[in-house]
Amino acid sequence: DAMVIQNPRYQVTQFGKPVTLSCSQTLNHNVMYWYQQKSSQAPKLLFHYYDKDFNNEADTPDNFQSRRPNTSFCFLDIRSPGLGDAAMYLCATSRGTGSSYEQYFGPGTRLTVT
Amino acid sequence: AQSVAQPEDQVNVAEGNPLTVKCTYSVSGNPYLFWYVQYPNRGLQFLLKYITGDNLVKGSYGFEAEFNKSQTSFHLKKPSALVSDSALYFCAVRDGGNTPLVFGKGTRLSVIA
Repeated sequence: DAMVIQNPRYQVTQFGKPVTLSCSQTLNHNVMYWYQQKSSQAPKLLFHYYDKDFNNEADTPDNFQSRRPNTSFCFLDIRSPGLGDAAMYLCATSRGTGSSYEQYFGPGTRLTVT
Repeated sequence: AQSVAQPEDQVNVAEGNPLTVKCTYSVSGNPYLFWYVQYPNRGLQFLLKYITGDNLVKGSYGFEAEFNKSQTSFHLKKPSALVSDSALYFCAVRDGGNTPLVFGKGTRLSVIA
């Protein structure tokens, strides 16, 4: 089955220690998104890629970076995690950036910062 | 800027009864409306969307939603609730431009046997 995969499902890191979360997709979608979701709140968009074009949301902290080496994979790098960065991180894909396209989400990675 | 309101944090319904989860929206242009469901410790799952056409949209798992332009609403409905429908439901909107999907704060649905 075509899907969006996130690894690991649970990640524990220390305050200030860089961490990378990964996402892969078998849907062959052009667009990949990273969202941050805290405590059953609404997901907050961090950035997205249309193919290799990177689009950063204006209020995404500089501490968050992303890489998309190819169509299938996308990474979220948190350079110096703080306690406030503990959250569920959701990867999503869509066929295009047009408003009619629904997004397909992975299961998420729950990040704990100690 | 677009926005979504889900006025109820929690909706409780007995199994077998009809359910409604409310959503109202605000956009500057034509709305593109979505419903997603999230089960515990899982990602969001697409249920249905309204783009244009028939105001009643049918989606997955027996859910449907009615687009009402005059009331700027897009309420999610199901004729007969199941215990397995218990989850967190998000309404979301885009305005047709190159703008991000905006989610409501979510409504927790609890279906009681």
